[in-house]
Amino acid sequence: QQQVKQSPQSLIVQKGGISIINCAYENTAFDYFPWYQQFPGKGPALLIAIRPDVSEKKEGRFTISFNKSAKQFSLHIMDSQPGDSATYFCSSGNTGKLIFGQGTTLQVKP
Amino acid sequence: DVKVTQSSRYLVKRTGEKVFLECVQDMDHENMFWYRQDPGLGLRLIYFSYDVKMKEKGDIPEGYSVSREKKERFSLILESASTNQTSMYLCATGGGANTGELFFGEGSRLTVL
Repeated sequence: QQQVKQSPQSLIVQKGGISIINCAYENTAFDYFPWYQQFPGKGPALLIAIRPDVSEKKEGRFTISFNKSAKQFSLHIMDSQPGDSATYFCSSGNTGKLIFGQGTTLQVKP
Repeated sequence: DVKVTQSSRYLVKRTGEKVFLECVQDMDHENMFWYRQDPGLGLRLIYFSYDVKMKEKGDIPEGYSVSREKKERFSLILESASTNQTSMYLCATGGGANTGELFFGEGSRLTVL
């Protein structure tokens, strides 16, 4: 069974700091690497996604860094805000079927 | 905006009961998915469907079945609920060729006593 390994399980960051969450995947045939954000009582929602033909994608304060040779990718949240406090899931796969990581609970302290 | 509606937000059932979790999407997507969310385990795929009357097993199908009689509706069935099926269940749609984005419902929290 394919896995996506995500770390850390939980993360506490001061307001204004950088939050970094890492993921590793196994299947080199995967071509889609999204991150989902989930607030309490809500379903996950797409935050940002990358395809393997680029090494980095930035949207506002959120950046995905992708290392194809190492089969790793990470989410960087710059200038972290209390409103970013949520659970983050990395995932990988092909469009239509995704495998999710274990989740990271981020708390940004004011 | 895509809307995915899960009919029951909270359910409490007894061991051995048959449980139906209903999901309806309003965007005419072909693909629908059922995931289970547990702390420390992330989201795990139970079943998915690419079309009406069609279903495929995900990573953890044991103890579950599904039904898709209409394009917009995808039901998850627990034939005989067990305590280890206490969990949050998430329905999703999307995952098309263009964006791959999944749209999730707000979840159904099932407790089996």
